[in-house]
Amino acid sequence: EVQLVESGGGLVQPGRSLKLSCAASGFTFSDYAMAWVRQAPKKGLEWVATIIYDGSSTYYRDSVKGRFTISRDNAKSTLYLQMDSLRSEDTATYYCARRATLFDYWGQGVMVTVSS
Amino acid sequence: IQLTQSPSLLSASVGDRVTLSCKGSQNINNYLAWYQQKLGEAPKLLIYNTNSLQTGIPSRFSGSGSGTDYTLTISSLQPEDVATYFCYQYNNGLTFGSGTKLEIK
Repeated sequence: EVQLVESGGGLVQPGRSLKLSCAASGFTFSDYAMAWVRQAPKKGLEWVATIIYDGSSTYYRDSVKGRFTISRDNAKSTLYLQMDSLRSEDTATYYCARRATLFDYWGQGVMVTVSS
Repeated sequence: IQLTQSPSLLSASVGDRVTLSCKGSQNINNYLAWYQQKLGEAPKLLIYNTNSLQTGIPSRFSGSGSGTDYTLTISSLQPEDVATYFCYQYNNGLTFGSGTKLEIK
């Protein structure tokens, strides 16, 4: 059974950093691209970043370019999202999802609140 | 590409045939998927490539459409179908619609 479990969320002040993790199991992690998708409170879904299977290419939405870094450790079957220079508009539930564009499995999500 | 979903709220009775609409600002070339999100849960993929049913999804769900106009149909609404439904295009960039909240009347 495919499982994706996010961790690392919490309350952080504007301008500070936070690193999210997503532990994957139930499939061969190194075979798949992975992504982060977020959902602001009571709002719609928004793609954030994608990393291909071996980590050699990454893609970001414009609003997070230069501030967020997606990475992976295939030996640990874990996906990461390093978030720097956080802004209030980054407040959201962050989901990790399998595949680059058509997300077929999602984790339960982790909440990130950016507030002073 | 912007996606506009209608209606934003839909109330229907158990057993009803329900139709949800998604309209793109440009041609989506059938790269359109539908997700179901129940309260407090992660989204679940229902339909991809306009009309392909994801493994394990009940056959009462179906998708159709072309160009800029797409539809998700539930042939016989069940209580467990209460959720918000998002359309999603992956033809040009990656964007989600704003969602249709489906309730039982």
